[in-house]
Amino acid sequence: DAGVTQSPTHLIKTRGQQVTLRCSPKSGHDTVSWYQQALGQGPQFIFQYYEEEERQRGNFPDRFSGHQFPNYSSELNVNALLLGDSALYLCASSLVVLPRTEAFFGQGTRLTVV
Amino acid sequence: SQKIEQNSEALNIQEGKTATLTCNYTNYSPAYLQWYRQDPGRGPVFLLLIRENEKEKRKERLKVTFDTTLKQSLFHITASQPADSATYLCALDLSGGYNKLIFGAGTRLAVHP
Repeated sequence: DAGVTQSPTHLIKTRGQQVTLRCSPKSGHDTVSWYQQALGQGPQFIFQYYEEEERQRGNFPDRFSGHQFPNYSSELNVNALLLGDSALYLCASSLVVLPRTEAFFGQGTRLTVV
Repeated sequence: SQKIEQNSEALNIQEGKTATLTCNYTNYSPAYLQWYRQDPGRGPVFLLLIRENEKEKRKERLKVTFDTTLKQSLFHITASQPADSATYLCALDLSGGYNKLIFGAGTRLAVHP
């Protein structure tokens, strides 16, 4: 049973560029959440997708957008990259019909903006 | 303002002792609280979930308590081992169980032989 997989594992981008990160949820899961984790900090909730729609959003600017596909995989897009966007980006999956259970996280994508 | 606070200093303990980690929060009313373990460069791994109407939850050497009056959760690892060395994250679920998680900054635990 494959867990949550994210790609790429590492990425270096230049300030002002755009980036797309990808996530495949754990088999059978239908809900995908994205988090940003700066060095030495806990993960911060960006947004959550279910049924191909953004259901919940954290306190992030519109430069952060996402998409969920019919197979439940998801993309996170960040436009006009800033140096402060450098972080570990984590994807987590869960099953909406099983609330009050844990989220499964991927290994993350390390984004460096130079 | 809303805050989640975990021990900011690293916790160093001797192998075999009990590690106790603290999570305090203000201006939140979570129905669920979760604890995760995170190793360097890896994603968090779920350990325990506790509901607001549960006082205590156990799993093998792990125990978590949840006091909604004090707005505090304590996480205990008994008979600690060097392999328990990691960062431990406290997370509040503000979405009624649908995993919109608000994390603390984590506490780094080092267990010495």
